[in-house]
Amino acid sequence: GESVGLHLPTLSVQEGDNSIINCAYSNSASDYFIWYKQESGKGPQFIIDIRSNMDKRQGQRVTVLLNKTVKHLSLQIAATQPGDSAVYFCADPAVDTGRRALTFGSGTRLQVQP
Amino acid sequence: NAGVTQTPKFRILKIGQSMTLQCTQDMNHNYMYWYRQDPGMGLKLIYYSVGAGITDKGEVPNGYNVSRSTTEDFPLRLELAAPSQTSVYFCASTGQDNSPLHFGNGTRLTVT
Repeated sequence: GESVGLHLPTLSVQEGDNSIINCAYSNSASDYFIWYKQESGKGPQFIIDIRSNMDKRQGQRVTVLLNKTVKHLSLQIAATQPGDSAVYFCADPAVDTGRRALTFGSGTRLQVQP
Repeated sequence: NAGVTQTPKFRILKIGQSMTLQCTQDMNHNYMYWYRQDPGMGLKLIYYSVGAGITDKGEVPNGYNVSRSTTEDFPLRLELAAPSQTSVYFCASTGQDNSPLHFGNGTRLTVT
């Protein structure tokens, strides 16, 4: 079946470095992707989204890149801070078009070392 | 706005007991969802609703039921709790199709 999210389980970075979190998707019809951040004990929070007519979108300290050719997304966090420590999910509302609901991968845990 | 509110935060059930996980949102969102998250895993969709009076199954609906009598509330019912239902349950809502979800902070359920 369709899937979203071939994540590394854990990414460890030094405070101040840039972080890159990757995500792959399998549905060629996917046209919208969302990145969420989940801190311990909380629900996921929206970070940034991107539509398939874009290759790149920037937010505050975050950038998402979309490569439709290889069906790959990445989330880049500039100058990573301890508060960025969390699990990051990419999500695709179109994975099961009959249900119109997000499907999440298992996520990448970002650990920021002081 | 309080956003999406889930109660209770924690609950321990014995096998075979029943309970209702409550979810309410004050953003007048039409779309509401229930997910479960097992340790170290992503979220799996249990049920969803596109508006009051309309519900539909997600990826893992067995053992659960939902209702949507109002726009604000979307309770999730477990009729016969089983250890496999030990998980963290998240409710979410959004106002438009294909837009980011707003999540509650979850209900941690243990079935022993």
